[in-house]
Amino acid sequence: QQQVKQSPQSLIVQKGGISIINCAYENTAFDYFPWYQQFPGKGPALLIAIRPDVSEKKEGRFTISFNKSAKQFSLHIMDSQPGDSATYFCAASTGNQFYFGTGTSLTVIP
Amino acid sequence: GAVVSQHPSWVICKSGTSVKIECRSLDFQATTMFWYRQFPKQSLMLMATSNEGSKATYEQGVEKDKFLINHASLTLSTLTVTSAHPEDSSFYICSAREGSGPYEQYFGPGTRLTVT
Repeated sequence: QQQVKQSPQSLIVQKGGISIINCAYENTAFDYFPWYQQFPGKGPALLIAIRPDVSEKKEGRFTISFNKSAKQFSLHIMDSQPGDSATYFCAASTGNQFYFGTGTSLTVIP
Repeated sequence: GAVVSQHPSWVICKSGTSVKIECRSLDFQATTMFWYRQFPKQSLMLMATSNEGSKATYEQGVEKDKFLINHASLTLSTLTVTSAHPEDSSFYICSAREGSGPYEQYFGPGTRLTVT
């Protein structure tokens, strides 16, 4: 059973546009929701993370929106750049349990 | 920020041999380390969780006798793939959790294993 559902599987955005990736979860025990960026042949790198006591967190061009009642959270990349082209994973965690989404391959076209 | 290294970054071995992958936390103490496996264009699959000084906890379906994990110190964990076969070829990634930190895992750069 997929603990965290992520969509879309792939995304193509024009340079300067907004990239939006969505994730949904079922387990209300999850209390930490990070997003990771992964380039080919590299390990994932933490991009931004949120806890369920806030509805939004912004760091530079990256924003997480969190809807606790709907059990959904999303990553918004503003002013998307070609260098943002990578695979993005959402995750949900409680204690030592860490569950990753299936990933979204983002391509930003110049 | 917290840095995790892996060595080697890539390795080619012959079928039937064993290969060891090291995971080190460079600037923090990691009481918990995780080992993941990732197939091309797929998500990370957790293989096992290890706490310093104790036996690793393996996920269902992961052969503990094949994938030996040792977390001997607060900065080092090793994954040994024993009697490797071509189907073990994959991208192996470790991560480490800082002892005093809340939830975050810091990932290593990964090790590409190819078994011929």
